[in-house]
Amino acid sequence: AQKITQTQPGMFVQEKEAVTLDCTYDTSDPSYGLFWYKQPSSGEMIFLIYQGSYDQQNATEGRYSLNFQKARKSANLVISASQLGDSAMYFCAMRGPLSTGNQFYFGTGTSLTVIP
Amino acid sequence: DVKVTQSSRYLVKRTGEKVFLECVQDMDHENMFWYRQDPGLGLRLIYFSYDVKMKEKGDIPEGYSVSREKKERFSLILESASTNQTSMYLCASHYRGGNNQPQHFGDGTRLSIL
Repeated sequence: AQKITQTQPGMFVQEKEAVTLDCTYDTSDPSYGLFWYKQPSSGEMIFLIYQGSYDQQNATEGRYSLNFQKARKSANLVISASQLGDSAMYFCAMRGPLSTGNQFYFGTGTSLTVIP
Repeated sequence: DVKVTQSSRYLVKRTGEKVFLECVQDMDHENMFWYRQDPGLGLRLIYFSYDVKMKEKGDIPEGYSVSREKKERFSLILESASTNQTSMYLCASHYRGGNNQPQHFGDGTRLSIL
């Protein structure tokens, strides 16, 4: 079975500092995709970054990077140079295999607050 | 850009009413999903569909049904609304193939059952 765990319900970071949001996952499927989403208080889910299980390099998208440690089954999101607009809920997700209908499995989220 | 449109951002209904939440996507995605989101519980899957007229139960299907008569439209139905169905409802869709295809979400419907 697929499972995503986010152990940090809430995080605080000073503006312009970097922050790491933790995510661990569990799957027996060798092929999978890992995703991070941002949900501002307005409610929409915004796709941030993707990491494939066979990717050799860590994914990066602007100020977002993914620290992928396959052996430890972790896929932590790193946000560099935090901005006030980064305050939001962040969800880690894994795309399941075809046998599950390619369901996405989500963690419970981390609420990030950026302090001026 | 992919567009997933949910019919209402905010909805207030009464206990016992039949409630319809509509979702339309414009990218010819095969797979569509309905989630509910409650504080501290993350996103919980209600139902999903991987083709027209096909549906699969998710983790919390009780009290809900769905309809997918056309590929672009996936409807969530609360047969007899109850107060414990007050929640944020999110619709999502994605292409069937490729692990790198993200889910695309609508803006959500905040549903209150009085």
